[in-house]
Amino acid sequence: DADVTQTPRNRITKTGKRIMLECSQTKGHDRMYWYRQDPGLGLRLIYYSFDVKDINKGEISDGYSVSRQAQAKFSLSLESAIPNQTALYFCATSDEGKLFFGSGTQLSVL
Amino acid sequence: AQTVTQSQPEMSVQEAETVTLSCTYDTSESDYYLFWYKQPPSRQMILVIRQEAYKQQNATENRFSVNFQKAAKSFSLKISDSQLGDAAMYFCAYRAPNFGNEKLTFGTGTRLTIIP
Repeated sequence: DADVTQTPRNRITKTGKRIMLECSQTKGHDRMYWYRQDPGLGLRLIYYSFDVKDINKGEISDGYSVSRQAQAKFSLSLESAIPNQTALYFCATSDEGKLFFGSGTQLSVL
Repeated sequence: AQTVTQSQPEMSVQEAETVTLSCTYDTSESDYYLFWYKQPPSRQMILVIRQEAYKQQNATENRFSVNFQKAAKSFSLKISDSQLGDAAMYFCAYRAPNFGNEKLTFGTGTRLTIIP
């Protein structure tokens, strides 16, 4: 089983819909991250959390919110999806200077 | 803010040959970390190699090595004896030295094609 699990793997939704992307980890790490990948732009940080009570905005947090329900779970929400939020979304954990990525969620907003 | 630049959107190399991917970065810090990640078509992000700025010796991992030029703020990845499985997107990334802060700043990536 994967150490960092993202669900769903792929999702198609419509403009204006609320959507949640979920991430869970079995690594026991306190630090978790959400990144977005767009072609030609690389990965950009949306939100990060250093523990259950510590949530921080990244460089592109507008239009997104997160919830750290437990050490192992970190979900990303789009309250009202728009087409330019179509992207590949990665969850990651970190420990001792290394990032561990999930396999990504490809989101398409029509 | 730190920036990471990968000026080669695409590269190709003949199988068994050597290829070098370029990366430059901008920072005012003296101590930091640099990484190369590989993203194959499966889209999984895989750590290839890591370099700590305070170490003068270039990092190596089997067929992968880096040329770290701190003064020039350059961090290139050399892949020797290229194999078909090396075909992927490669991302260069920077991390600041802050304890407990493992946020990465990524470059825009280089797509590497291996020609059989």
